[in-house]
Amino acid sequence: GAVVSQHPSWVICKSGTSVKIECRSLDFQATTMFWYRQFPKQSLMLMATSNEGSKATYEQGVEKDKFLINHASLTLSTLTVTSAHPEDSSFYICSAKLGGPGTEAFFGQGTRLTVV
Amino acid sequence: AQSVTQPDIHITVSEGASLELRCNYSYGATPYLFWYVQSPGQGLQLLLKYFSGDTLVQGIKGFEAEFKRSQSSFNLRKPSVHWSDAAEYFCAVGDMDTGRRALTFGSGTRLQVQP
Repeated sequence: GAVVSQHPSWVICKSGTSVKIECRSLDFQATTMFWYRQFPKQSLMLMATSNEGSKATYEQGVEKDKFLINHASLTLSTLTVTSAHPEDSSFYICSAKLGGPGTEAFFGQGTRLTVV
Repeated sequence: AQSVTQPDIHITVSEGASLELRCNYSYGATPYLFWYVQSPGQGLQLLLKYFSGDTLVQGIKGFEAEFKRSQSSFNLRKPSVHWSDAAEYFCAVGDMDTGRRALTFGSGTRLQVQP
């Protein structure tokens, strides 16, 4: 199957700093990438959808100025958590789709963000 | 709007016993259905998927699922559970669009396996 690589797998940062998470599709070109947030023992909550070369579409309640998404190429999307606070601590997961009706999504291994 | 319900939050089975995880969906047409598994601190791995055709689909690790349109269900089964199957399982539905929409996930079922 296709491989999606997410980096870093875990990060600890100080409150007020920014953190960038990368999501790469290693062996395919992803027309669409998604960013999710997952709280402990809960399901995935979609944060935003990004298509290469266009602005990301954010879900209701997700602050676009806080969670900056850049999808500069067909193989790379980045999520930057700006001015992080402890409440931003969570597990962030990206996924990528090849495109076309009903295609499955491939997931990165996730990033555990801890803001201290 | 599409939705997915996984009625069981937590299930415990003994190693070697059979397993069935329930999934019900709500969608206006024939959906695309998926089962994913997540180990702690990891991303999601696809177990199997249903697009069309045979309603009984086989997946990896000995899992299978059956699509029942009349019941709007897509239950996951395994005849004999192994300790390594302990994980979180998510059912998801996708729609027949251009492929640019995210999957809709259920709330997940945590599987515990007793020795």
